[in-house]
Amino acid sequence: EIVMTQSPVTLSVSPGERATLSCRASQSVGTLLAWYQQKPGQAPRLLIYGASTRATGVPPRFSGSGSETEFTLTISSLQSEDSAVYYCQQYYHWPPYTFGQGSTLEIK
Amino acid sequence: QVQLQQSGPRLVKVSETLSLTCSVSGASMNDYYWSWIRQHPGKGLEWIGYIYYSRTTNYNPSLRSRATISQDTSRNQFSLKLTSVTPADTAIYYCVNHGLARNDGYFDRWGQGILVTVSS
Repeated sequence: EIVMTQSPVTLSVSPGERATLSCRASQSVGTLLAWYQQKPGQAPRLLIYGASTRATGVPPRFSGSGSETEFTLTISSLQSEDSAVYYCQQYYHWPPYTFGQGSTLEIK
Repeated sequence: QVQLQQSGPRLVKVSETLSLTCSVSGASMNDYYWSWIRQHPGKGLEWIGYIYYSRTTNYNPSLRSRATISQDTSRNQFSLKLTSVTPADTAIYYCVNHGLARNDGYFDRWGQGILVTVSS
């Protein structure tokens, strides 16, 4: 099973600034990595797939990068509605599909 | 556009079977994999398994012995049964879909989620 490790656990950033979230895979997953956003009481929402492709309707301030074992989700010009938990997920080696433990983004 | 609507009991007793159903609209059930994912309260996400074309299934090894996913194509529904539940199975259960290609294993559409509590 591929273990996905996210950092930091919690990040606090001011509105208008940039947030960078990291995800590391225990072995290479190529670019078969997705990012999700989850707000309290809601189901996760797909943000990024293929490591860098934005899902339909996702604002361009969200961008993904990386390959193999190291990945980054960058949110530029943070807005208050970006406060959420963010998860990465690999779909290279399965079963099982695996997720990171999540990073909480707080807007100051 | 794919829409997923979940239904099922919110409370299950210890040692009994958890049963949930997901109703699909806006897509042919033959065009996607259909998965279940759960989230323990305040915790991360755990993939349970998927079904495709009514007969092809794949499960998380950690739950394979207790989970069964089935599909009723005539009703555009798929279901999850989890046997011999314990309080550790208390979680929000989501149904999701994902594409068939190797590169499409991300979860695009999610059901609303159902919190199932296992209690004695």
